[in-house]
Amino acid sequence: EAQVTQNPRYLITVTGKKLTVTCSQNMNHEYMSWYRQDPGLGLRQIYYSMNVEVTDKGDVPEGYKVSRKEKRNFPLILESPSPNQTSLYFCASSFFPDRKYNEQFFGPGTRLTVL
Amino acid sequence: GQQVMQIPQYQHVQEGEDFTTYCNSSTTLSNIQWYKQRPGGHPVFLIQLVKSGEVKKQKRLTFQFGEAKKNSSLHITATQTTDVGTYFCATNDMRFGAGTRLTVKP
Repeated sequence: EAQVTQNPRYLITVTGKKLTVTCSQNMNHEYMSWYRQDPGLGLRQIYYSMNVEVTDKGDVPEGYKVSRKEKRNFPLILESPSPNQTSLYFCASSFFPDRKYNEQFFGPGTRLTVL
Repeated sequence: GQQVMQIPQYQHVQEGEDFTTYCNSSTTLSNIQWYKQRPGGHPVFLIQLVKSGEVKKQKRLTFQFGEAKKNSSLHITATQTTDVGTYFCATNDMRFGAGTRLTVKP
């Protein structure tokens, strides 16, 4: 089954404790991205990756890191989480966006609480 | 990146009433996509519009792309409780509108 998986689905942590949210897709998509969703703000892009070893900042990259060592995986790293990073996070993947068809497939989401 | 404004933020309708959400961009878009997110779920792709003035239908849903390719709308005819959720538009560079949350009273 074609899908995007994220782990963990729920996470409660404390300020400053490094964490990683994993994301994996099995559709051989070149493009992957991370979003955070906050009430009234919709989905805001954190980082994206056009292909292996190619990553770029989105609209809200501060406090986050990503890596793309393999095509299928795109982990999101919070080196020193703070309470303002409490949010619902979605990973998504797509064929290369320069193609005509830009459908994004989303993972189930990770609800993160930073105390 | 391209910014897109989406209105209204919320819409509450009686079952059977129609619903419309609008997206407006300050710049010309090469395409626009629409997504639906059910409560507690993740966004799911509905459709992509590419051509100026394009109109596409999916059962009770009608999607339009403006002639200038700066605005788009999603219209639902005779809403049902299964239509409940938040509807997002997204630009070709993966920027999302803030969404319109639809609730339907049976």
